[in-house]
This record gives sequence, C-alpha cells and structure tokens, in this order.
Amino acid sequence: GNSVTQMEGPVTLSEEAFLTINCTYTATGYPSLFWYVQYPGEGLQLLLKATKADDKGSNKGFEATYRKETTSFHLEKGSVQVSDSAVYFCALSKGGSYIPTFGRGTSLIVHP
Amino acid sequence: NAGVTQTPKFQVLKTGQSMTLQCAQDMNHEYMSWYRQDPGMGLRLIHYSVGAGITDQGEVPNGYNVSRSTTEDFPLRLLSAAPSQTSVYFCASSSLGATSGNTIYFGEGSWLTVV
Repeated sequence: GNSVTQMEGPVTLSEEAFLTINCTYTATGYPSLFWYVQYPGEGLQLLLKATKADDKGSNKGFEATYRKETTSFHLEKGSVQVSDSAVYFCALSKGGSYIPTFGRGTSLIVHP
Repeated sequence: NAGVTQTPKFQVLKTGQSMTLQCAQDMNHEYMSWYRQDPGMGLRLIHYSVGAGITDQGEVPNGYNVSRSTTEDFPLRLLSAAPSQTSVYFCASSSLGATSGNTIYFGEGSWLTVV
C-alpha cells in the first residue's frame, strides 16, 4: 500500500536558519504530493503541492521538489521566522484512490 | 468563504453519553471525511464518504457512526463516549475529479474530552 515517512520532530531552529524537513514515500505509479501546515489550534491547510515528477511546489518561501528517482518530497525554506512554528504534514494521493495518505507530521519550533 | 465548518469547537462529555459533531462544506465537494488527531499518532481516518448516501469505514471506525444525506453535511456521531475517544477531530473535504492533485480542505477542529 501507499505510505509516507517524515522525519521525527520536533525540529528546533533559530530565526533565519535554513529548514529542511525530509519526506519520502512509497506508492506505485505517479502520485501527487503535498505539504500541509497546521498552526496551533487550527486545522491543516495546504502549503504547496506537486503533481508530477520534477515539479517544484512553492509558497510563502517554502519549496519542495518531486523527486521520482529518490521517492522524496523534502520541504525547504531558506530563512525561517517565528511565525513558521507549526506542524508540517507530508501527504500523497493517487488518481483512482480518493483517500490521501498522510505522514505523522513534523513539529517545527522557531526561536527568536 | 466558509469552506469547511465544524461545530462545536470544544465539548466535554461524560462516559456513556452520545453526541454529534457537525460538519458542513459549501464547495460542492463529493468527498468528505473525518479524522482524529492524537499526540504521536498523526491523523487517523475514521469514516469517509464519496457522495450523498455513500459512506465507508476508515482506519478507526469503532464507536463512531456517520451518514451523508446531503452533499453539504457529514455529521459524526459518538454512540457511547469513552475516555479513549478524547481527541481532536477534523472534518475534511475535496472534489474527486479525474486527477489525484485535488487539495483536501480541513475544518478548524473539534476538541473533545470524555471524562
């Protein structure tokens, strides 16, 4: 079956540091890949997505590239802010299967 | 833009009580689902629906019922609340379509405590 593996958190960084949150997946065919963000006390919301190999999704300074050869979709940001403190979820979905598969989430804590 | 609306936001129940978590979406989405989120467990799918009159079980359906009488509404019923059902519950929806790249939209969550 499909699966998504994310690095364990929490990830603790100082403001303006570089962020990488690793995500790898297992799926047959060509899934779409997503990053969702959950701010404290809120629901998840889409951060970015990529629907085919080599696509790069980007939003709010975050980027992730769909790497078919390494089955990865790592999230990066060049300079994090305190306001980026949240839980980040990697997810995939496949045509014909409407139920997305989520990773367990990675908590990011950014200190001033 | 309302999106996905969940009520109530917070609820405390006694063991054995029943209650319904309401979920409504105004985006004409076919797919709706309920998740629970517990520390260290990520999101676990409880029930889902792909259209009015169609529901199916997810990963952790025991103790919960759902129905889908309209496209907009997808209530989650706790039949006899247990402390193990203390959790944060999220309703989510998306369009189905032919592509797998459809975004899932989440409600803001319902914090449930069973004492």
